[in-house]
Amino acid sequence: EPEVTQTPSHQVTQMGQEVILRCVPISNHLYFYWYRQILGQKVEFLVSFYNNEISEKSEIFDDQFSVERPDGSNFTLKIRSTKLEDSAMYFCASSGGGTGFKNIQYFGAGTRLSVL
Amino acid sequence: KNQVEQSPQSLIILEGKNCTLQCNYTVSPFSNLRWYKQDTGRGPVSLTIMTFSENTKSNGRYTATLDADTKQSSLHITASQLSDSASYICVVSAGFSGGYNKLIFGAGTRLAVHP
Repeated sequence: EPEVTQTPSHQVTQMGQEVILRCVPISNHLYFYWYRQILGQKVEFLVSFYNNEISEKSEIFDDQFSVERPDGSNFTLKIRSTKLEDSAMYFCASSGGGTGFKNIQYFGAGTRLSVL
Repeated sequence: KNQVEQSPQSLIILEGKNCTLQCNYTVSPFSNLRWYKQDTGRGPVSLTIMTFSENTKSNGRYTATLDADTKQSSLHITASQLSDSASYICVVSAGFSGGYNKLIFGAGTRLAVHP
């Protein structure tokens, strides 16, 4: 069964450093998403991406964050200057669009980001 | 404000028993409601998805109900197994034109099934 893959599974970085989280969505999907989950809290929407541009972003997704689809397969989330509070599990998801079952978002296993 | 509330926060049951998890939501425009299972340290996995016209949907031992009038949903797990131990998250989709959907997550119910 096709799946969303994320790398790395765990990223440790120093405060102020830039990190890039990578995702390979399901190949025929059109919509791409990033979510984060701070330990013990609910999953929060960050951003959605369609047709090479951001469809919507939350208030969390400030100027420190950016997304890119550099080629036909990868979808990346960049955090320019990490803060301690960016420590969380980051999930990538993709969907095929449409209605009903076609609109199911499939999630990757996540990247755990630890900012020291 | 779009919100999804779940109860209980946590639940412990014995293997083989049934349980029901609750979800209340205020989301607009409502598109559909999903239940996800999330194992510790893993991404959420979809169990069921229901639109406003559906009031029940089953997936094996999982049965979800939806009352669009009262904006409530439940997830019933029958004959629980140890592998059912996980967080169960109610997720409501706000639908927009063009096929894009925005998911609003509940905080989840953490279920522990004991032998």
